[in-house]
Amino acid sequence: KAGVTQTPRYLIKTRGQQVTLSCSPISGHRSVSWYQQTPGQGLQFLFEYFSETQRNKGNFPGRFSGRQFSNSRSEMNVSTLELGDSALYLCASSLGTFSGLGEKLFFGSGTQLSVL
Amino acid sequence: LAKTTQPISMDSYEGQEVNITCSHNNIATNDYITWYQQFPSQGPRFIIQGYKTKVTNEVASLFIPADRKSSTLSLPRVSLSDTAVYYCLVGVWGGTASKLTFGTGTRLQVTL
Repeated sequence: KAGVTQTPRYLIKTRGQQVTLSCSPISGHRSVSWYQQTPGQGLQFLFEYFSETQRNKGNFPGRFSGRQFSNSRSEMNVSTLELGDSALYLCASSLGTFSGLGEKLFFGSGTQLSVL
Repeated sequence: LAKTTQPISMDSYEGQEVNITCSHNNIATNDYITWYQQFPSQGPRFIIQGYKTKVTNEVASLFIPADRKSSTLSLPRVSLSDTAVYYCLVGVWGGTASKLTFGTGTRLQVTL
């Protein structure tokens, strides 16, 4: 079974631009969640989608948004990029709706975003 | 949920048992602790998960004491390939959604 696929692997943007990251979950997985990883803040939960609906959201500004399609693929968008948005963005999929309670997450390798 | 803390780093020799502790607020009896392993340039990989006192699988054990203010990942007989960063993930049910907090991460270095 193919794992979680994230594209692109690397991305360089400038301040003020917007960016869209893509995630294809493991076949059969209906939940996709997104995370930001930085050296300073560590791993932080962004949001989770299940059956095209956002089920949970972390503490991030509205510039961070996402969506999920009927085939469970997901995209994450960051508008008006700031220098502090430079990070590794990870996507994970799971079989059921993930609430941190009893679900096993399968992570992709991430998209490394650099904002200049 | 307050910041979830872990030791920054640990060193071990191959073949030893390693215990990594995650300190957090006391959690409810049905709140989960999950541990992940991360290698450079890769996403985290699931190791073990539980909410009870002790859980064991083929690669690790998870201990949660009675006060539920911490949890410990135990890796028996580590090898060089276990050199990685380890994260705990605490999932606390908030009534309508869960509050998810990752630990600060522990860099484990295994040597011969």
